[in-house]
Amino acid sequence: GESVGLHLPTLSVQEGDNSIINCAYSNSASDYFIWYKQESGKGPQFIIDIRSNMDKRQGQRVTVLLNKTVKHLSLQIAATQPGDSAVYFCAETYPSHNDYKLSFGAGTTVTVRA
Amino acid sequence: DTEVTQTPKHLVMGMTNKKSLKCEQHMGHRAMYWYKQKAKKPPELMFVYSYEKLSINESVPSRFSPECPNSSLLNLHLHALQPEDSALYLCASSQLRGAQETQYFGPGTRLLVL
Repeated sequence: GESVGLHLPTLSVQEGDNSIINCAYSNSASDYFIWYKQESGKGPQFIIDIRSNMDKRQGQRVTVLLNKTVKHLSLQIAATQPGDSAVYFCAETYPSHNDYKLSFGAGTTVTVRA
Repeated sequence: DTEVTQTPKHLVMGMTNKKSLKCEQHMGHRAMYWYKQKAKKPPELMFVYSYEKLSINESVPSRFSPECPNSSLLNLHLHALQPEDSALYLCASSQLRGAQETQYFGPGTRLLVL
């Protein structure tokens, strides 16, 4: 599979390979993390989430890993398909002024090669 | 069902026009949000409503005026916009406001200000 150690804005993946998208979050008080997929012309679509008391969560073909020590989040997509081509955003929820805010990372554009 | 609907899909307006964006959800969610997304950038929070009351205004210019007439509807009234306000405007909702509440997004309204 293909992966990025640091966040990169684009990722090109061969169809059928595994993809790993990385994200560094900024706020040590963040306690909930979400991965969204945004296809061209559409709104962000929820993929998977993870709470801060967990370090791994699996869904259908996707796995999210959380490393709170280094404030790092990753999304693994198994057997990448053409329909996985999209921009992927990590997002963190953190406390702010007696409320909570959802803050998005810069996004990674994934392109699947046939 | 995690559907948030937005109308219109596209909107072109002049700088002297008044228009409104509409958002609707029937999931019983009590928190609703407006985000602005510029091309190739992540969504940026504009407003948050909780139980039909405005709880967060991210220092948005007064030419954007939100309204939450009931628990299912969220409007964004636009007046005297500038060309730099052209963007994708996204509505989202979550069951409640809280640290671990998932926000679900609509498809967005693509706005062009001439």
